[in-house]
Amino acid sequence: AQSVTQLDSQVPVFEEAPVELRCNYSSSVSVYLFWYVQYPNQGLQLLLKYLSGSTLVKGINGFEAEFNKSQTSFHLRKPSVHISDTAEYFCAVRSQGGSYIPTFGRGTSLIVHP
Amino acid sequence: DTAVSQTPKYLVTQMGNDKSIKCEQNLGHDTMYWYKQDSKKFLKIMFSYNNKELIINETVPNRFSPKSPDKAHLNLHINSLELGDSAVYFCASSQDLRGHYEQYFGPGTRLTVT
Repeated sequence: AQSVTQLDSQVPVFEEAPVELRCNYSSSVSVYLFWYVQYPNQGLQLLLKYLSGSTLVKGINGFEAEFNKSQTSFHLRKPSVHISDTAEYFCAVRSQGGSYIPTFGRGTSLIVHP
Repeated sequence: DTAVSQTPKYLVTQMGNDKSIKCEQNLGHDTMYWYKQDSKKFLKIMFSYNNKELIINETVPNRFSPKSPDKAHLNLHINSLELGDSAVYFCASSQDLRGHYEQYFGPGTRLTVT
């Protein structure tokens, strides 16, 4: 079984400030890790993913995430946010074998204020 | 040139009715999914098909029946609609069922049951 915990349901931040959205996971097997973004009234789209190799992963729109195996975390960061980054962000895991069932966190609403 | 499309975008219906949502992907992917997103944005997988074969069937009432006529299409039929079925339903696809492939999501169908 696997689970994903997004520790903050809402993160308010001012424009041009840095932001970190936290994600922790639990799994009995090795997993692949993903971050998706959902803009209002749209479907989800991939921001970035970690499969293997370097633990720092860069994605679209200036986002990056760091995989920490010992802490079972995959936190998402951006050094300077824009108003247009206001959206819902989802962390997800998929097992590297077995059923491949995707498991999503409950989402973090990033609200960027001018 | 929409990669994953869903119809209709909005669906308003009364309790007890039967309705269908259609999904099509033009990405040449082998695997398709249905998700339900509730009012708190929680995203839960319902079904997944790989090459027209059902591979994931989570604990969903049997009033929900997916159908995949070919690997580019995955439709969702819902019988005897209930108030609790109100949600946004997302279709998604991935290259195949293996965990390292990201999912591509459709724009969603907002179902309102009155």
